[in-house]
Amino acid sequence: AAGVIQSPRHLIKEKRETATLKCYPIPRHDTVYWYQQGPGQDPQFLISFYEKMQSDKGSIPDRFSAQQFSDYHSELNMSSLELGDSALYFCASSLTPALNTGELFFGEGSRLTVL
Amino acid sequence: SQKIEQNSEALNIQEGKTATLTCNYTNYSPAYLQWYRQDPGRGPVFLLLIRENEKEKRKERLKVTFDTTLKQSLFHITASQPADSATYLCALPSYSSASKIIFGSGTRLSIRP
Repeated sequence: AAGVIQSPRHLIKEKRETATLKCYPIPRHDTVYWYQQGPGQDPQFLISFYEKMQSDKGSIPDRFSAQQFSDYHSELNMSSLELGDSALYFCASSLTPALNTGELFFGEGSRLTVL
Repeated sequence: SQKIEQNSEALNIQEGKTATLTCNYTNYSPAYLQWYRQDPGRGPVFLLLIRENEKEKRKERLKVTFDTTLKQSLFHITASQPADSATYLCALPSYSSASKIIFGSGTRLSIRP
């Protein structure tokens, strides 16, 4: 079965650079979520999209932005990178939260290292 | 504000025993609660969901209970195996939005042979 695809899997950037992470949800899933997980931390909710519209926002820095495109894939753009942005970034997808129980299917994550 | 707490210390269990993990939440009455498993460097994997009107849910060697009065869920793994070693996360929908799933800090479980 198709899973959530994230790219790149690993990314190394310098401080103040920009990074873009991509996420391809499971086919027919209409909701995409982004989470940030630092070492030894729980996944922190950043932002979610439902049917290409932002549906919720969490602890996402103003330096970050995200969108969901017409083919339902999503991109997380991170600018002016800081050392503290080094983390695993997970994308997850699900079927319409309001109509089901919100089970999330996670990708394998993108590991961002900021030097 | 909504808060989810799990055992912060790692849990070490002898193989074959039952592992019990706790998830407590405050300031909220969720319609359901989920449990996920996460291996190092991997994405969380959904295990079980229990709704507010369910007391208990089972799936193979897994059992979840949900006490909405105590605001607590217990996650049990019976006949534990070394392969069960992982971090287990409980998750709830945010009180403000169904499209915002909030995770607890997780409990690291180690099963020794």
